[in-house]
Amino acid sequence: DAKTTQPTSMDCAEGRAANLPCNHSTISGNEYVYWYRQIHSQGPQYIIHGLKNNETNEMASLIITEDRKSSTLILPHATLRDTAVYYCIVRPGRTGTASKLTFGTGTRLQVTL
Amino acid sequence: DTGVSQDPRHKITKRGQNVTFRCDPISEHNRLYWYRQTLGQGPEFLTYFQNEAQLEKSRLLSDRFSAERPKGSFSTLEIQRTEQGDSAMYLCASSLFLAWDRGNTEAFFGQGTRLTVV
Repeated sequence: DAKTTQPTSMDCAEGRAANLPCNHSTISGNEYVYWYRQIHSQGPQYIIHGLKNNETNEMASLIITEDRKSSTLILPHATLRDTAVYYCIVRPGRTGTASKLTFGTGTRLQVTL
Repeated sequence: DTGVSQDPRHKITKRGQNVTFRCDPISEHNRLYWYRQTLGQGPEFLTYFQNEAQLEKSRLLSDRFSAERPKGSFSTLEIQRTEQGDSAMYLCASSLFLAWDRGNTEAFFGQGTRLTVV
């Protein structure tokens, strides 16, 4: 699986958009970008994933650059409950049978009042 | 609650004892995964099952570790002769693999079992 690089930590004011970057310059054509988050003392929670088009769901938006070497997870209106560690993961998706997720150390997002 | 359930949530054991954890996946999910997470690190893959078959084991899974999923539903993870280095959060996840589509749904995680070896 391609390696990802994320900032160690970020702060965001409540109500503002949180933009979390991820670099995955060695991503290959069949690999998807997945985002999970882990709130303290809980298991990771799936947020969103995409291949090359931008994606949006009720939790977040995922912007993938045209060359697919980086992406940004956007939480449009961050709340205190969004304080968590956010993991960007690259792995084969629907075209492969690989199942496991390879987590890095993620970005610790702190949302403040 | 129809999510992934893990039991117990916390376990304190003395070094050298055996421990067993249980995971109940989402009922229609055919794939079940075990991960281990130490403080400050992301989860690390240990092993996964498709139905009752164990399809992959990480090198992290030493001989003291064994996982089973006898009927393709719940799974157990046993650690024999525990060591202090086994202290960690043990996470279980499940997903649905559709063979005809060769794809996985996203994985859903349980709350984890926190093991402390003293």
